[in-house]
Amino acid sequence: IQLTQSPSSLSASVGDRVTITCRASQGISSSLAWYQQKPGKAPKLLIYAASTLQSGVPSRFSGSGSGTDFTLTISSLQPEDFATYYCQQLNSYPYTFGQGTKLEIK
Amino acid sequence: EVQLVESGGGLVQPGGSLRLSCAASGFTFSIYSMNWVRQAPGKGLEWVSYISSSSSTIYYADSVKGRFTISRDNAKNSLYLQMNSLRAGDTAVYYCARPLGTMGSSWPFDYWGQGTLVTVSS
Repeated sequence: IQLTQSPSSLSASVGDRVTITCRASQGISSSLAWYQQKPGKAPKLLIYAASTLQSGVPSRFSGSGSGTDFTLTISSLQPEDFATYYCQQLNSYPYTFGQGTKLEIK
Repeated sequence: EVQLVESGGGLVQPGGSLRLSCAASGFTFSIYSMNWVRQAPGKGLEWVSYISSSSSTIYYADSVKGRFTISRDNAKNSLYLQMNSLRAGDTAVYYCARPLGTMGSSWPFDYWGQGTLVTVSS
């Protein structure tokens, strides 16, 4: 199963609302997770089961979608949100990742 | 506190071998499946391998199948990745990762180690 994220990179300002999309090459129900990764650090789980917020993750992060089309939304960007975001399908092995979306400060 | 600590990375020549280890603590290791994920320098994440809690089920990415072997020792709370016939394309930071849940499938990875760098070069 291939995952295609868009855009590959994004420039935004603090306070902006940002949406990242992830499209699967075949239906994966709601078996999708989103991760945030900062340089030199391991990925951090944000969202799983397409829309369930991981414990401790701020509520400005939300996820939606099912089947083949999914979105990650950050409602009001904070300085600490500038990072690279990855989606991952958990429907079947191999548990593939999207290519990543780099979120940069405008 | 859950901790995953990888070790064993380093510089190896093409065609060589390396064994990575992941020491787990702070949770009941024996009831969790485990995974290896890698990230080439400046690139995205690539899932590498999965092992069930009892070692009865194992999966590999096509890119490493036949060259890498995942294993675990529940008595030692440790996960391993034996890497043979290494290629330049295997150069990456290798992470061990624990799933959020223990029963069923489709669990994302909620704990990751800090990673260990494997460099394959002559």
